[in-house]
Amino acid sequence: NAGVTQTPKFRVLKTGQSMTLLCAQDMNHEYMYWYRQDPGMGLRLIHYSVGEGTTAKGEVPDGYNVSRLKKQNFLLGLESAAPSQTSVYFCASRTGTGVSGETQYFGPGTRLLVL
Amino acid sequence: QQQVKQSPQSLIVQKGGISIINCAYENTAFDYFPWYQQFPGKGPALLIAIRPDVSEKKEGRFTISFNKSAKQFSLHIMDSQPGDSATYFCAASDDYKLSFGAGTTVTVRA
Repeated sequence: NAGVTQTPKFRVLKTGQSMTLLCAQDMNHEYMYWYRQDPGMGLRLIHYSVGEGTTAKGEVPDGYNVSRLKKQNFLLGLESAAPSQTSVYFCASRTGTGVSGETQYFGPGTRLLVL
Repeated sequence: QQQVKQSPQSLIVQKGGISIINCAYENTAFDYFPWYQQFPGKGPALLIAIRPDVSEKKEGRFTISFNKSAKQFSLHIMDSQPGDSATYFCAASDDYKLSFGAGTTVTVRA
């Protein structure tokens, strides 16, 4: 099993450009998450999904959109990139029991630089 | 604001020493407290976790101590090794979402 994979690994954007980050998991997990990681701030939840066709806002959703058309994929979109979106983005997934205590499995991350 | 406060931001320890990282929370609904370990260029991975019905959990050289009344929990790394050099995140959850601390970068000097 590949686990959680993310594409691309690194990207440089100019302010105002758009892009989509792809997350894929082969563990048949119901729940998927997008986080951003910034120095001194830990991991902050951007959006998440509790199943195919569903999405919900997390702690820092502004400037991002997501889609979960297939159970195994979770896409994060930046419609008009801003320098404040320079960050490392992590995708995670877990089983869908709906309770706490289930492990979240993280991908390797996408490093995004917005100039 | 962060729901889980973590300290210190960084620490340096000699090989064989003890590393201690502390976390505090306010939300009494939290019922699951994991610690994640992250190496440079990699995603975080679960290291060890605890429920509030126990005061301590040990796995190898890693121990979580939990103080429910103080709403605090800590990670102890015994006999620290250079391979333990990483960033450690505490987290808390009461459902399917995790709230993370800001992270602690641990450097183990040989």
